[in-house]
Amino acid sequence: QKEVEQDPGPLSVPEGAIVSLNCTYSNSAFQYFMWYRQYSRKGPELLMYTYSSGNKEDGRFTAQVDKSSKYISLFIRDSQPSDSATYLCAIAGAGSYQLTFGKGTKLSVIP
Amino acid sequence: DTAVSQTPKYLVTQMGNDKSIKCEQNLGHDTMYWYKQDSKKFLKIMFSYNNKELIINETVPNRFSPKSPDKAHLNLHINSLELGDSAVYFCASSQVSSGRKYGYTFGSGTRLTVV
Repeated sequence: QKEVEQDPGPLSVPEGAIVSLNCTYSNSAFQYFMWYRQYSRKGPELLMYTYSSGNKEDGRFTAQVDKSSKYISLFIRDSQPSDSATYLCAIAGAGSYQLTFGKGTKLSVIP
Repeated sequence: DTAVSQTPKYLVTQMGNDKSIKCEQNLGHDTMYWYKQDSKKFLKIMFSYNNKELIINETVPNRFSPKSPDKAHLNLHINSLELGDSAVYFCASSQVSSGRKYGYTFGSGTRLTVV
């Protein structure tokens, strides 16, 4: 079983829709959960950074972590065409230097 | 003002050649990384240096050799290039001693094509 599983999509939604992106992970030792956004032909950029369980909100973006289910989510409200990108979840364990990435979900927001 | 810069952006080379990719960061971060992104967009760690010390050395062919002359620079040298080495290579940095050590800043990538 892979450490991080992410549905690669692609996911296509109309402008204004609520988008839900998800990852599951296998190792309960993971404590840090990130979401990165990658535009085409660019490097990933950090979008959300969370520690342990719970919700974190930043503008139209909400990151949710459920450690009991080993499930993390990113919600995008009022999606915009500029949100069209690949979204990568990333996880790490305490004391580790290493981030493990999911395969990414390609999102297209149609005007 | 680029935070993490990689050179070159594109590299097309023949099988068997040796090539280097350079990376520099001006963020004052103490840790740098090399990631490989394959054609399916999967990002996989290759190496990491913390204050010039190699701390992550994943299962990578020994044709790949990283070198960190100082905290701000991390280079990747590849010997005897093979077709399977074609990928996008990303350099990244982070400040491990801060509270957000997994908040990586990535470069824009080097697209390597081996023909």
